[in-house]
Amino acid sequence: AQKVTQAQTEISVVEKEDVTLDCVYETRDTTYYLFWYKQPPSGELVFLIRRNSFDEQNEISGRYSWNFQKSTSSFNFTITASQVVDSAVYFCALSGANQAGTALIFGKGTTLSVSS
Amino acid sequence: SQTIHQWPATLVQPVGSPLSLECTVEGTSNPNLYWYRQAAGRGLQLLFYSVGIGQISSEVPQNLSASRPQDRQFILSSKKLLLSDSGFYLCAWSVGWLGGYTFGSGTRLTVV
Repeated sequence: AQKVTQAQTEISVVEKEDVTLDCVYETRDTTYYLFWYKQPPSGELVFLIRRNSFDEQNEISGRYSWNFQKSTSSFNFTITASQVVDSAVYFCALSGANQAGTALIFGKGTTLSVSS
Repeated sequence: SQTIHQWPATLVQPVGSPLSLECTVEGTSNPNLYWYRQAAGRGLQLLFYSVGIGQISSEVPQNLSASRPQDRQFILSSKKLLLSDSGFYLCAWSVGWLGGYTFGSGTRLTVV
């Protein structure tokens, strides 16, 4: 069975602090994708990144960076110099090639609050 | 371009009333379609997915059902709503699994 665990329910930081959101996943698939989504108060899901299981290279996009480690089944997300606009719920998700329908399996989300 | 339409945006329904939420996709053929629910303060739970017309798989036994009468139409229904059906419902589509996933803007359902 596939599972995504986001152990941090809520995180509060002050602007300009760096913050890391943890994601641990479980799957028996050898080929799979990992995702991060942002959900602002309006509710829509904003796609942030997709990473396939064969690409362990870390990625940086502006203030965002992702650390994928297959050895620990983790796909952590770091926001550098956080801003108030980063306040949202962040979801980590997993999809597998062998699963019918290839549905995304989500973690329970981490609520990030950035104060000024 | 590929788009997904989901309506209504908000809905308030009394307990015991029926429900019909519709989701349509444009700009693609034979998509995989999904219904997710997010209860207040909780994560996104997969409810149903469909890989083709008339093919529905249910992930969680519940008071809801789904149908796919056309290739790009996915409907979430209930004959009698329960208070526990309140939540934020999201429709999504993908083409296979090599592509990404596109989510609708969601329907916020409140059962009173």
